[in-house]
Amino acid sequence: SQQGEEDPQALSIQEGENATMNCSYKTSINNLQWYRQNSGRGLVHLILIRSNEREKHSGRLRVTLDTSKKSSSLLITASRAADTASYFCATDVGGADGLTFGKGTHLIIQP
Amino acid sequence: AAGVIQSPRHLIKEKRETATLKCYPIPRHDTVYWYQQGPGQDPQFLISFYEKMQSDKGSIPDRFSAQQFSDYHSELNMSSLELGDSALYFCASSATGRGGYTFGSGTRLTVV
Repeated sequence: SQQGEEDPQALSIQEGENATMNCSYKTSINNLQWYRQNSGRGLVHLILIRSNEREKHSGRLRVTLDTSKKSSSLLITASRAADTASYFCATDVGGADGLTFGKGTHLIIQP
Repeated sequence: AAGVIQSPRHLIKEKRETATLKCYPIPRHDTVYWYQQGPGQDPQFLISFYEKMQSDKGSIPDRFSAQQFSDYHSELNMSSLELGDSALYFCASSATGRGGYTFGSGTRLTVV
């Protein structure tokens, strides 16, 4: 089963609104990362939150991590049409085991 | 700043042929990872190398192999290609202890 499960699978909102995406995982992690992917393109690293952190900000992005619930959320404030993309959470258990990605949330920002 | 370079960007092969994908990690990154992303799917971890030694294997078919060379570039070799191998193949690199991976733009492999 997937380590990272995200919801919603798709989200459509109006420009200027906030978008919230959630991710749940199953095992203990070293850190959790969020990535963005424009259609058919590469993955762009957005933000990393370590297991001992609860919240992190980067520009219009806010990430929370609740290790007791094994969940994380990504909030994009004041959304823009250019934010339209797929967003993936990925868990890192440390070492060179690679990331385990969730299914992703496809975000559409309506102008 | 230099990013992770992958080549080729696009590749079309016929069934049962062989393909080789190349990845040039960011200088001084000590770990390289390969991922496969099928159409509409999430990326799946295939294999990783730490300091030129294979470190971990994920869901990599036996028909695939990979290696990392003395200059740290890595190659993913895929033989007896099947239609289901059509996907985006990403390489990523990281530096131990720094967290965060840098992904290449990917190679889109189409098997016909």
